[in-house]
Amino acid sequence: KAGVTQTPRYLIKTRGQQVTLSCSPISGHRSVSWYQQTPGQGLQFLFEYFSETQRNKGNFPGRFSGRQFSNSRSEMNVSTLELGDSALYLCASSFGQGGTEAFFGQGTRLTVV
Amino acid sequence: GESVGLHLPTLSVQEGDNSIINCAYSNSASDYFIWYKQESGKGPQFIIDIRSNMDKRQGQRVTVLLNKTVKHLSLQIAATQPGDSAVYFCAENQGPPGRRALTFGSGTRLQVQP
Repeated sequence: KAGVTQTPRYLIKTRGQQVTLSCSPISGHRSVSWYQQTPGQGLQFLFEYFSETQRNKGNFPGRFSGRQFSNSRSEMNVSTLELGDSALYLCASSFGQGGTEAFFGQGTRLTVV
Repeated sequence: GESVGLHLPTLSVQEGDNSIINCAYSNSASDYFIWYKQESGKGPQFIIDIRSNMDKRQGQRVTVLLNKTVKHLSLQIAATQPGDSAVYFCAENQGPPGRRALTFGSGTRLQVQP
């Protein structure tokens, strides 16, 4: 059974640009949650999508958005990038909503210069 | 290297010894907990979970203990191996129904000396 797949693995963007990250969950899983990991703040919850609807949102500005498709794949978008957005972005897949038995992908390392 | 806290508490053990990693959680209403292992350059790897109606759960070489009275979680690794070297995170599932999410601790670095 394939795990959670995130693409791309690495990205370098310039301040002010926008970026889209992709996550394919484990087959059969309907929930995708996104997290930001930085040395200073650790792992922080961004949002969760379940059955194509955003079910929960963390404390991040509106520049961070996402969506989920009918096949449960999810994308995350960050607009008007800032230097502080440099981080490892992780998605977690689970069958049910709310983070139970959540399995993570390898992450996308975003560097904003 | 991986994006983890620069000043993580570190546990250093000898290969073959047992390791105990501790975690204090914040919300007495949390009813589900997960331990994750994160190696450099990788995403967190699910190790074991436990629900609040249990106080102990065992997996392969790992045991999780939950003490709800003092809001404390521990991960015990038996016969620690060099491959166990990583950062370990506990996560608690909290929030109102329909808006639950995992909240992560800051992590503990486990170093296994050969």
